[in-house]
Amino acid sequence: DSGVTQTPKHLITATGQRVTLRCSPRSGDLSVYWYQQSLDQGLQFLIQYYNGEERAKGNILERFSAQQFPDLHSELNLSSLELGDSALYFCASSVTTGMNTEAFFGQGTRLTVV
Amino acid sequence: DAKTTQPNSMESNEEEPVHLPCNHSTISGTDYIHWYRQLPSQGPEYVIHGLTSNVNNRMASLAIAEDRKSSTLILHRATLRDAAVYYCILRLGASGNTPLVFGKGTRLSVIA
Repeated sequence: DSGVTQTPKHLITATGQRVTLRCSPRSGDLSVYWYQQSLDQGLQFLIQYYNGEERAKGNILERFSAQQFPDLHSELNLSSLELGDSALYFCASSVTTGMNTEAFFGQGTRLTVV
Repeated sequence: DAKTTQPNSMESNEEEPVHLPCNHSTISGTDYIHWYRQLPSQGPEYVIHGLTSNVNNRMASLAIAEDRKSSTLILHRATLRDAAVYYCILRLGASGNTPLVFGKGTRLSVIA
């Protein structure tokens, strides 16, 4: 158990809908990262927050947004969903943002868009 | 992003050592070398990281070449549970803030 909790574990929704994925980081971790993993794209970095502020952006679509709340949990909002958004979404956390820091990953949320 | 090159796949017999190579010829002096692995149906898992010196922990050893242009992750005694995709990642030091950027990794198969 990494200490990172993601909910829900599975989500099935229709095209055009909006969903929210939730991540609770390990106790004491200030940084949260979101990743998307689909079969053909591998693990893609989406976005990073540190203590409530956005720190880095990767290949995140405009239809997607995220935020980190004062209690440090984070939410990833996906809207106008398309079939191609079906993927595993992982959240990770780390104490800081530095390069000498290990990250801990949750078990992921499997999103299926039908 | 600094690039790493890994073999697509490797195979090992159970209870034998495994050496997983990674080339990172464009590494700069402050970049850390990280290794993560992803077991089937699970999130990635931290394995080990280092800067210049070789590193050991309970999971594995990391051997870093003197010129730092390559490194090798060593699993001393492979078990079936070590079958996973192993990712070698550079965390760039210059920016001070660097997310983990995953490549395609090496898929390790362990044969009983």
